[in-house]
Amino acid sequence: EAQVTQNPRYLITVTGKKLTVTCSQNMNHEYMSWYRQDPGLGLRQIYYSMNVEVTDKGDVPEGYKVSRKEKRNFPLILESPSPNQTSLYFCASSGGQVTHLIYNEQFFGPGTRLTVL
Amino acid sequence: RKEVEQDPGPFNVPEGATVAFNCTYSNSASQSFFWYRQDCRKEPKLLMSVYSSGNEDGRFTAQLNRASQYISLLIRDSKLSDSATYLCVLTNFGNEKLTFGTGTRLTIIP
Repeated sequence: EAQVTQNPRYLITVTGKKLTVTCSQNMNHEYMSWYRQDPGLGLRQIYYSMNVEVTDKGDVPEGYKVSRKEKRNFPLILESPSPNQTSLYFCASSGGQVTHLIYNEQFFGPGTRLTVL
Repeated sequence: RKEVEQDPGPFNVPEGATVAFNCTYSNSASQSFFWYRQDCRKEPKLLMSVYSSGNEDGRFTAQLNRASQYISLLIRDSKLSDSATYLCVLTNFGNEKLTFGTGTRLTIIP
């Protein structure tokens, strides 16, 4: 089954304790991205990657890191989480050449609900 | 002004009715437009792309008005299963990023 998976689905942690949220897709998609969703603010892009070893900042990259060492995986790293990073996080992937991204459907993972105390 | 604006609702509509909502955008260079649907606590899923000529998919019709900078979604013969939040999404020319609206919440009432 074609899908985007994220782990963990739920996480409660404390300020400053490094964490990683994994994202994996099995559709051989070049483009992957991370979003956070907050009430009243909608989905905001954190980072995106157009292909292996290529990553770029989205609209809200502060406090986050990503890596793209393999095509299928795009982990999100919070080196020192803070309470303002409490949010619902979605990973998404999209296929096709980058220049065609604007016409391509984004496939989202099921989301990770993160609480930082 | 926000890049994408949507009326948050909620829109409470009786089953079988027709409902329409708009999304306005501020950047005239915006290139492509989409409607995504998001069920409560679930991931967004593509409902339909929005083409300049307008497009229809069953009970759903999407239209783009570039002169007034808005897109619209019309749902005919609404079903209980149409209850969801509808997200307006756009991308700008030469930009690999998608911009999401905050969504319009729709509830279909039996």
